[in-house]
Amino acid sequence: GAVVSQHPSRVICKSGTSVKIECRSLDFQATTMFWYRQFPKQSLMLMATSNEGSKATYEQGVEKDKFLINHASLTLSTLTVTSAHPEDSSFYICSATSGPDYGYTFGSGTRLTVV
Amino acid sequence: DAKTTQPPSMDCAEGRAANLPCNHSTISGNEYVYWYRQIHSQGPQYIIHGLKNNETNEMASLIITEDRKSSTLILPHATLRDTAVYYCIGSTSGTYKYIFGTGTRLKVLA
Repeated sequence: GAVVSQHPSRVICKSGTSVKIECRSLDFQATTMFWYRQFPKQSLMLMATSNEGSKATYEQGVEKDKFLINHASLTLSTLTVTSAHPEDSSFYICSATSGPDYGYTFGSGTRLTVV
Repeated sequence: DAKTTQPPSMDCAEGRAANLPCNHSTISGNEYVYWYRQIHSQGPQYIIHGLKNNETNEMASLIITEDRKSSTLILPHATLRDTAVYYCIGSTSGTYKYIFGTGTRLKVLA
């Protein structure tokens, strides 16, 4: 089955630094990937749609300069949290599709803690 | 994307069938119903999806009402490992985004 690898699974960083999270489709090409954020005991909130070779589309209320998304190849999208602050601490999850009949495959998530 | 409504929580005895309902009264004709589950601190896992007809796979069955305004996910013999938050999502297939609702927290009891 389709596999989406997300790295790192867990990261702790100091306030003011930037953190990059990678999302890779291992056995299929993904022209579109999605990035979500999830706070404790809450549902997943869509942050942005990442399109290969073009600019990401951000959901309302998500700062594009804060959360930089790059989708340079058909198998890799990255999310960079710039100048991270404690309120950015959250569980970040990516997803991708291997085709219209298969739904989306999600990565295992990245737990970001900003101290 | 269709807005979905699910009960916040349910309990089910181990070995019994778990029936998880979902209302999606605003679903449009070309939107599929997808079901995912999320076990604590992991990414969501695909379970099943359907458009009009009932569907079954190795994990679960999906029953969609004729008017498509609601559906039920059935886990035929729930185990402790099925304890998770279950989400139903209405979306057109292909490259359209998913909007997650609050989901149902299923607890399977020994």
